[in-house]
Amino acid sequence: DQQVKQNSPSLSVQEGRISILNCDYTNSMFDYFLWYKKYPAEGPTFLISISSIKDKNEDGRFTVFLNKSAKHLSLHIVPSQPGDSAVYFCAALISNFGNEKLTFGTGTRLTIIP
Amino acid sequence: SQTIHQWPATLVQPVGSPLSLECTVEGTSNPNLYWYRQAAGRGLQLLFYSVGIGQISSEVPQNLSASRPQDRQFILSSKKLLLSDSGFYLCAWSVQNPSGNTIYFGEGSWLTVV
Repeated sequence: DQQVKQNSPSLSVQEGRISILNCDYTNSMFDYFLWYKKYPAEGPTFLISISSIKDKNEDGRFTVFLNKSAKHLSLHIVPSQPGDSAVYFCAALISNFGNEKLTFGTGTRLTIIP
Repeated sequence: SQTIHQWPATLVQPVGSPLSLECTVEGTSNPNLYWYRQAAGRGLQLLFYSVGIGQISSEVPQNLSASRPQDRQFILSSKKLLLSDSGFYLCAWSVQNPSGNTIYFGEGSWLTVV
């Protein structure tokens, strides 16, 4: 049972435009969400996170939006740059002091077209 | 600053051979440690996590085992590899405190079982 879903396996966006990556989850107990960026043959790099008590978190070109009622979150990258081409993973966890375990989506491959 | 290292970076092993992947964390104490695997075309799957020396929890039934002989050392092992063990293995850590909701990953290890 895939509790975190990224239904778009790939996405192509023109350089300078906005990239929107989507993620849906089924477990209402998730209360913390993270986005990771991954290049081939490298470990994922943490990008941005959001607590379930918020609906938006912004860090530079990256903004994450959370819609709890829809169990949906999205990552916006503005403006998109060629270096943003990578696989993006959405992840969720249930905050439990000393026992944080991430549940990952299957990833979306973002390609930025120059 | 905290850093995490895992090795070897790439490994080609025959079916039935043993496996040992090692991970160490620097700059922190008493971290939570994790082993994830990314199989081809799939998301990141949690294999093991550890909240302390000698404390290992397994998330999925599998051909692998994990050990934590020291506070900042986490080892992934197998006595006899299967073809299905091929994949990209990632060590990760998080700090045990209420704000430690972010997990950081190592560089990853490519395992090909032939």
